[in-house]
Amino acid sequence: SQQGEEDPQALSIQEGENATMNCSYKTSINNLQWYRQNSGRGLVHLILIRSNEREKHSGRLRVTLDTSKKSSSLLITASRAADTASYFCATITSYGKLTFGQGTILTVHP
Amino acid sequence: DVKVTQSSRYLVKRTGEKVFLECVQDMDHENMFWYRQDPGLGLRLIYFSYDVKMKEKGDIPEGYSVSREKKERFSLILESASTNQTSMYLCASRAGRRALWGQPQHFGDGTRLSIL
Repeated sequence: SQQGEEDPQALSIQEGENATMNCSYKTSINNLQWYRQNSGRGLVHLILIRSNEREKHSGRLRVTLDTSKKSSSLLITASRAADTASYFCATITSYGKLTFGQGTILTVHP
Repeated sequence: DVKVTQSSRYLVKRTGEKVFLECVQDMDHENMFWYRQDPGLGLRLIYFSYDVKMKEKGDIPEGYSVSREKKERFSLILESASTNQTSMYLCASRAGRRALWGQPQHFGDGTRLSIL
């Protein structure tokens, strides 16, 4: 079964709006990572948050982590059409293997 | 920047053929990974390698094998391709020292494989 589960499965917004995606996981983690995948391409790492961190920022991205609820959220502020992509959370398991959720498909309309 | 290169973006093969998917990384990373990605199932790990000639099964190794003869190259082999192996295949690499196991993985652009 998937360690990470994203919610919602799909999100459609207008340019300039904020987009929030959520991820839940099942077991204890060392860190949680978010990746973006443009259509037909590979995954690109966005941000990593460690288990002892609660919030992290990178440009227009804000990630939160609540280990008591085993959940994380990714917020993209002031979205752009170029942000249209699938977004995945991933958690680390043994030997540094990543377990991915099924992703959130974000569509940003110009 | 790390570059992970997969030899083909699109590949069409026939049932029963032996298929080779190649992946090369240029950052001297110890760890390399093969995933397949299917709608509704997300990314699933097929095999990974933490050193030359070393390999470990992932979550769905059946029907696949791998080869790591050189540090920079990791090959995925479909011994006898079947239609249920039609998928997007993604290769990734990551530095291998234990302290870096939590670091991000770097992905290639994927190979979309169709088995007819």
